[in-house]
Amino acid sequence: ILNVEQSPQSLHVQEGDSTNFTCSFPSSNFYALHWYRWETAKSPEALFVMTLNGDEKKKGRISATLNTKEGYSYLYIKGSQPEDSATYLCALDSSNTGKLIFGQGTTLQVKP
Amino acid sequence: SAVISQKPSRDICQRGTSLTIQCQVDSQVTMMFWYRQQPGQSLTLIATANQGSEATYESGFVIDKFPISRPNLTFSTLTVSNMSPEDSSIYLCSVESGQVERTEAFFGQGTRLTVV
Repeated sequence: ILNVEQSPQSLHVQEGDSTNFTCSFPSSNFYALHWYRWETAKSPEALFVMTLNGDEKKKGRISATLNTKEGYSYLYIKGSQPEDSATYLCALDSSNTGKLIFGQGTTLQVKP
Repeated sequence: SAVISQKPSRDICQRGTSLTIQCQVDSQVTMMFWYRQQPGQSLTLIATANQGSEATYESGFVIDKFPISRPNLTFSTLTVSNMSPEDSSIYLCSVESGQVERTEAFFGQGTRLTVV
């Protein structure tokens, strides 16, 4: 059974702080690594899909890196804002079938 | 991209009853996926719904408990049958945008089910 782990489980930061989360996965079973942002009562929204070792992607204040050899990805948020409050999910695509294996998520709360 | 309309958004149901969740996609897609998230757990894949064939279920999930229909390339339903409190979860349908190269997944808004 493939396992995707995320840490921390939850995080409380002040507005303006920068923060980062970790996603770890089995490096021997990898096709792509996805990051999603999930706000309460909304659909999960894709942030990044990463496939290559060493990939770095950026969208505004959010960026992500990928290390497929050691099996981890980091998500960074620079200068957190209250609207960044959400649960951040990483998901492993291990089989190129569209099926995703999700971590438990990191819930971020940004206080104004 | 794909826009998915999922309903109902929430429901409270009596144990022993069944609930059918619907997902409508604004474009034709080959595969649709059904996930659930039990309290404190990860989103877990229930099954893959293909048009014109039976759904493929993941380990731990069976057709009698979670029957799925996929009558065409834009619509699918998931039924949660003979519900118990353990079925209280968020249920999500999903499609992926890539046909040849896998890209991001798109999700419905979710159905928050409480079984009492």
